[in-house]
Amino acid sequence: EPEVTQTPSHQVTQMGQEVILRCVPISNHLYFYWYRQILGQKVEFLVSFYNNEISEKSEIFDDQFSVERPDGSNFTLKIRSTKLEDSAMYFCASRSQGTYNSPLHFGNGTRLTVT
Amino acid sequence: SQKIEQNSEALNIQEGKTATLTCNYTNYSPAYLQWYRQDPGRGPVFLLLIRENEKEKRKERLKVTFDTTLKQSLFHITASQPADSATYLCALESGGYQKVTFGIGTKLQVIP
Repeated sequence: EPEVTQTPSHQVTQMGQEVILRCVPISNHLYFYWYRQILGQKVEFLVSFYNNEISEKSEIFDDQFSVERPDGSNFTLKIRSTKLEDSAMYFCASRSQGTYNSPLHFGNGTRLTVT
Repeated sequence: SQKIEQNSEALNIQEGKTATLTCNYTNYSPAYLQWYRQDPGRGPVFLLLIRENEKEKRKERLKVTFDTTLKQSLFHITASQPADSATYLCALESGGYQKVTFGIGTKLQVIP
C-alpha cells in the first residue's frame, strides 16, 4: 500500500538555525499538510497546500515557516530560524480529495530537537 | 471558539470487554467526523469516517456513532485485545474543508 515517507526521522539543530523537513506524499494525492505534535500534546494543524499554494494556515504558521513542493513529488517544510519551542514531532499528511471519503494519510514524522 | 473534547485521561479495560471512547465538539457543523489511531512515536492512522446523515458505522470490531444534536460521537471497540492499546483521535474538518483539526485523543490500555 502506498505510504507517505518523511526524512529525516530525527533532526537535531541549534537555536537560530534553519531546518528543512522533507516529505514524499502518496503519488496521486492532491492535498498536502503539515502538522506538529509537542510531546504529550495534541496533533496540531500547521498548514494545508493545494495546487501549489497554501490553502489554509494556523496561527502557529508564522513568517518563520514556509512550505514548498519543488519538484512535483517532494513537499517540504522550512523553519528559518528555529526556537526551542519548535521542538516537536512534525507530521506530513496527504489526501486524494479535499473532502468526503478522503482520510488523511500520515507519515511517521520527523522528531525535531532544538538545542 | 471551536473545540473538540476527548477524555484525555487514560481508559483501562480488561481484554474481551468493549471500550467506549467519547468525542464532543462545539461550534462545528461538521459534514462528517473521523477517527484515527496513533501509536507512540508514529503518525495517526485513519480508522473510520462517519457522515452527518449516518447514525452508525461499523468496521470489523469497530463501531462509531454520530449524534449531531448532542454534538457527540462515540467510538466502540468490541472484544478488545491488548493490540488495541493506543491513543484514539477524533477529527473534524472546518473552514474550506481542508483544515482537519484533531482532539487531544484518549489513550486506551487493554489489560490481558
